[in-house]
Amino acid sequence: DTEVTQTPKHLVMGMTNKKSLKCEQHMGHRAMYWYKQKAKKPPELMFVYSYEKLSINESVPSRFSPECPNSSLLNLHLHALQPEDSALYLCASSQVFLAGGINEQFFGPGTRLTVL
Amino acid sequence: AQTVTQSQPEMSVQEAETVTLSCTYDTSENNYYLFWYKQPPSRQMILVIRQEAYKQQNATENRFSVNFQKAAKSFSLKISDSQLGDTAMYFCAFMKPQGGGADGLTFGKGTHLIIQP
Repeated sequence: DTEVTQTPKHLVMGMTNKKSLKCEQHMGHRAMYWYKQKAKKPPELMFVYSYEKLSINESVPSRFSPECPNSSLLNLHLHALQPEDSALYLCASSQVFLAGGINEQFFGPGTRLTVL
Repeated sequence: AQTVTQSQPEMSVQEAETVTLSCTYDTSENNYYLFWYKQPPSRQMILVIRQEAYKQQNATENRFSVNFQKAAKSFSLKISDSQLGDTAMYFCAFMKPQGGGADGLTFGKGTHLIIQP
């Protein structure tokens, strides 16, 4: 299985709602990533998990809360979002090499989020 | 911090032609990795080709090849015999070596490639 799956595909939420995005992989990868991609822009890194521990937080507002319950699953909890948070949220996973090696990232199809 | 620059926002070529997408980057690292990712319309990002900076030989994957010039910090992608399915946004990306950890990709702004029938 060389697939990263994301649910839901689309999500519309109000500014007072709480929702979660889910990402799953069964490739045995021990690094997982969240990226945010606005229309016609490149993906921007939000969070990196390595061995289920948060290793990078790119100064993301606290209304985005990541969680990595196990090595196959990554969640992004959303609360009190703003309309400017509307974007495609991409999840990716990769191996982690002790020394060297290319950590090729495999991307999921994304969740298209609209905040009203 | 690394920066990746793609100077061609959009390119259009006829089917079966050869096209070259340009990418330059800036880094103080000596060892790193470079990638070209393809994102078709409303479809997910997939890896096209990758290059390790310590390898002088240019990477090739079927119709896709790169011209990696480390001193010039240039990493262009050549697509030969272009096909309609090559229509997509192409992103050049940079990654530092990991050494036991994980790091994100730094992407260029992308080049929208259109293959005309």
